[in-house]
Amino acid sequence: GAVVSQHPSWVICKSGTSVKIECRSLDFQATTMFWYRQFPKQSLMLMATSNEGSKATYEQGVEKDKFLINHASLTLSTLTVTSAHPEDSSFYICSARGGYGAEKLFFGSGTQLSVL
Amino acid sequence: GQQLNQSPQSMFIQEGEDVSMNCTSSSIFNTWLWYKQDPGEGPVLLIALYKAGELTSNGRLTAQFGTTRKDSFLNISASIPSDVGIYFCAGDSGNTGKLIFGQGTTLQVKP
Repeated sequence: GAVVSQHPSWVICKSGTSVKIECRSLDFQATTMFWYRQFPKQSLMLMATSNEGSKATYEQGVEKDKFLINHASLTLSTLTVTSAHPEDSSFYICSARGGYGAEKLFFGSGTQLSVL
Repeated sequence: GQQLNQSPQSMFIQEGEDVSMNCTSSSIFNTWLWYKQDPGEGPVLLIALYKAGELTSNGRLTAQFGTTRKDSFLNISASIPSDVGIYFCAGDSGNTGKLIFGQGTTLQVKP
């Protein structure tokens, strides 16, 4: 089946540094990818929609200058958390759309970010 | 914004028992989805529902898309230990892949 690879699976960084998370569709092209954030014991909250070749669309309340999204190719979207702070510590998950319908929507395995 | 209310929040059951969980929404969705998430992993699709009133099964799992398009339920029959995990409902209002998730139901199964 289709696979979405997310890297790194976990990262620890110092407060004030930036962290880049990659989301790759390994065997299909994805014109649209989505980024979610999940705090412990909570639901997945949509942060932004990443469109290949165009600017990302951010959900209300998500700072676009803090969470930079780049979707430079049909198989790669990146999320950069800039000037990370402890409150940014969370589980970040991407999904990639390989076609129409829920069966064509695949999630990555997530990235656990811990900011010290 | 749109919200999904999922209940119960958690369940602790005996192996072999049946389980039921549900989601309700204040607005209409065109697609209802049910996912399972294991710790430290992304969610995995269990069942997708596309039509109001639709009842769909996947092995021991059965889910229904409410006729009002504002609710859905998931049943798990004859639970086994590997059913342990967090179950999420999700709605897609425009078949865009942009999902709104429920709060999750944590299921624990006692052997």
